[in-house]
Amino acid sequence: ETGVTQTPRHLVMGMTNKKSLKCEQHLGHNAMYWYKQSAKKPLELMFVYNFKEQTENNSVPSRFSPECPNSSHLFLHLHTLQPEDSALYLCASSQLSTNTEAFFGQGTRLTVV
Amino acid sequence: AQSVSQHNHHVILSEAASLELGCNYSYGGTVNLFWYVQYPGQHLQLLLKYFSGDPLVKGIKGFEAEFIKSKFSFNLRKPSVQWSDTAEYFCAVTVYNNNDMRFGAGTRLTVKP
Repeated sequence: ETGVTQTPRHLVMGMTNKKSLKCEQHLGHNAMYWYKQSAKKPLELMFVYNFKEQTENNSVPSRFSPECPNSSHLFLHLHTLQPEDSALYLCASSQLSTNTEAFFGQGTRLTVV
Repeated sequence: AQSVSQHNHHVILSEAASLELGCNYSYGGTVNLFWYVQYPGQHLQLLLKYFSGDPLVKGIKGFEAEFIKSKFSFNLRKPSVQWSDTAEYFCAVTVYNNNDMRFGAGTRLTVKP
């Protein structure tokens, strides 16, 4: 148990579906992140939220839409995805300071069919 | 943005062998460095971290890493691996005062009993 909980753990969706991934952190952190983990590739930082404000969007296609209603919750809304979007999506949180490490959830394994 | 290179994609060792996994980063300023481990089916966990001070950092489970600034390297070592060390290992870096954490592609370690 890392203090970062992601749901669902597994998701299969069609290319025309709309779904959402949810992340909740119980660590009192003020920064949250979405990463994409694909086989044999570096973890790709997708979005960064500091104090609920999006501070980073690493050229992520608009079919991925993040939402951060408060410091403890982070969503990733998915719409009209492609098969190449199939991956493990990881949520992480950290405390903004000079010496900070990120704590990760177990991820959502997404398969787009 | 900073980037991270992990040169070994897959390493296979026998139990009791010594381990060294390479990690190089590209950024000229002050950095924070991390090694994370991902056991099969589990979340990313922090093994060790370097922020400042002694460049030889000791982490959990007998792992250590050495920061060599002149080489932009942060290699992970363990004198004697165990079967339970079989996992994927990720090097990561953040720039000082910035929580944008970038990861390498990971090294899969297989330890044969």
